Amino acid sequence: GNSVTQMEGPVTLSEEAFLTINCTYTATGYPSLFWYVQYPGEGLQLLLKATKADDKGSNKGFEATYRKETTSFHLEKGSVQVSDSAVYFCALTLTNAGKSTFGDGTTLTVKP
Amino acid sequence: GAVVSQHPSWVICKSGTSVKIECRSLDFQATTMFWYRQFPKQSLMLMATSNEGSKATYEQGVEKDKFLINHASLTLSTLTVTSAHPEDSSFYICSAHSLTGDEQFFGPGTRLTVL
Repeated sequence: GNSVTQMEGPVTLSEEAFLTINCTYTATGYPSLFWYVQYPGEGLQLLLKATKADDKGSNKGFEATYRKETTSFHLEKGSVQVSDSAVYFCALTLTNAGKSTFGDGTTLTVKP
Repeated sequence: GAVVSQHPSWVICKSGTSVKIECRSLDFQATTMFWYRQFPKQSLMLMATSNEGSKATYEQGVEKDKFLINHASLTLSTLTVTSAHPEDSSFYICSAHSLTGDEQFFGPGTRLTVL
């Protein structure tokens, strides 16, 4: 079956620190990979995505590269801000199915 | 970008009553919508896949008679929690799958509290 494993949280960083949230996956087939962000009391927002191996998704300073050889899609940001505090979900979708499989989420808190 | 709305955003009801939650894709058509449930500090649990014009497909362990799903049009799916009980209290999130591409667009969620 398909599964997504995320780095356990919570993660607490100081403002301007470097962020890495690890994500690895197992899938039958060739999935698209996603990072979503959820702010308190809200739904999920797409942060970035990559649809094939070696693709790099990027948005708002966040980046993640689709690594087929290591089945990973780690999220990185060079300098986090307090406003980045949220829960981050890694997910995969097999394009012919539409259903997504989500990781457990990683809570990030950035302190001033 | 594509927008998905949910209504209501929160609801409080008495035990034994039924609650209907609407999910609408505002500027695109969606043949498939998904309903998720999220407990505090936990991930999303897929409840069912809602297909326009056909019966929903429920995930294992989800009671289809308790969580009624109707996908009446290409822009509207509804989830009805029948005879709600306190253990049904949760955050319910829908998403709509675009006709093209592999991306899901999520609604803002509905907070259900059953007293």
